[in-house]
Amino acid sequence: DAMVIQNPRYQVTQFGKPVTLSCSQTLNHNVMYWYQQKSSQAPKLLFHYYDKDFNNEADTPDNFQSRRPNTSFCFLDIRSPGLGDAAMYLCATSRERRGGYTFGSGTRLTVV
Amino acid sequence: GENVEQHPSTLSVQEGDSAVIKCTYSDSASNYFPWYKQELGKGPQLIIDIRSNVGEKKDQRIAVTLNKTAKHFSLHITETQPEDSAVYFCAASESTGFQKLVFGTGTRLLVSP
Repeated sequence: DAMVIQNPRYQVTQFGKPVTLSCSQTLNHNVMYWYQQKSSQAPKLLFHYYDKDFNNEADTPDNFQSRRPNTSFCFLDIRSPGLGDAAMYLCATSRERRGGYTFGSGTRLTVV
Repeated sequence: GENVEQHPSTLSVQEGDSAVIKCTYSDSASNYFPWYKQELGKGPQLIIDIRSNVGEKKDQRIAVTLNKTAKHFSLHITETQPEDSAVYFCAASESTGFQKLVFGTGTRLLVSP
């Protein structure tokens, strides 16, 4: 089945140690999104790629970066994780910017 | 930008009852309204969506209604089952820029057997 796959499901990292989360999709969608979701809150958009065009949200901290080397893969890099960055990170895709999103199962990040 | 409010934050029903979750939005030009179900430890899953050119859409036990004049839309689940227990998020697409989805704050639905 076509899907959005996130690895790993759980990630533990040390305070200040760079960490990378990955997302892959078999849907061949043009747009890939990264969301941060803290406990009992709505998902918050960090940035998205429309094809190779990167779009950052105005309030996304500089600590968060992203790479999309090809259509299928997108990475979230957290350069120096702080305790406040512990959250579920969700990757989503859509064929175009308008329309329904398909989410992955998420990566739960713990910072110790 | 768009702002979406969602109520209630928690909803408890008995199996077989109906459940209704309501959302209001601020941007009168918004034209796409999806609903997502998120089970514990999983990503949100699209369960139904509606566009601004229709007032109601049904899919088996799930329906969504849209009132553009009042700027609100609702999710209706009939004959609820324990497996309907999850967090439900509404969303609305912004009408400007790249029309990103803005999510409501979520409703935790608990269906008791």
